[in-house]
Amino acid sequence: DIQMTQSPSSLSASVGDRVTISCRASQGIRIDLGWYQQKPGKAPKRLIYAASSLQSGVPSRFSGSGSGTEFTLTISSLQPEDFATYYCLQHNSYPWTFGQGTKVEIK
Amino acid sequence: QVQLVQSGAEVKKPGASVKVSCKASGYTFSIYAIHWVRQAPGQRPEWMGWINVANGNTKYSQKFQGRVTITRDTSASTAYMELSSLRFEDTAVYYCARDEYDDIDVWGQGTTVTVSS
Repeated sequence: DIQMTQSPSSLSASVGDRVTISCRASQGIRIDLGWYQQKPGKAPKRLIYAASSLQSGVPSRFSGSGSGTEFTLTISSLQPEDFATYYCLQHNSYPWTFGQGTKVEIK
Repeated sequence: QVQLVQSGAEVKKPGASVKVSCKASGYTFSIYAIHWVRQAPGQRPEWMGWINVANGNTKYSQKFQGRVTITRDTSASTAYMELSSLRFEDTAVYYCARDEYDDIDVWGQGTTVTVSS
């Protein structure tokens, strides 16, 4: 199975800060990666697909980059509603696997 | 709009089975595959398997092979996930999700399954 490792596991940042979350795959997955936001008690919501494409309706402050084994989700200017846990998901090979999550807290 | 609406919470005893439904609306059900993902409390999501709605073909995670069965009823625009031989560690929120171009775009609201004696 492909292991997905996210870092950091949690972070605390202020409104307006630039936030970067990393996801590393244990083997190359091309750009077969998505980023999801999950708020407590809710289903995940897709933010980014194909590593860098912005999901329709998602604010442009979210962006993704990377290919192969190294990927990044960036929030350019953190907003209060961005408090959530973020997961990466690889869909290159079965079984699909998620990162362990990054919890973003607002200072 | 595209929606996946799941059945309600379940409480089951160890060794029992549970069947969760997922009704789709707002799109042509047969065109998109459906995935099932579960999330235990405080854990990352875990992919269980998927079904090609058009032809009924399935693919399961090795972890659940032999215990999980995913089916669909195209006339009812509904997918189902049945998990058998339940254990305490199967307590989780179970989600169905739509496949868009070999990726997950829309999720159901989740169904809590509690395994308790």
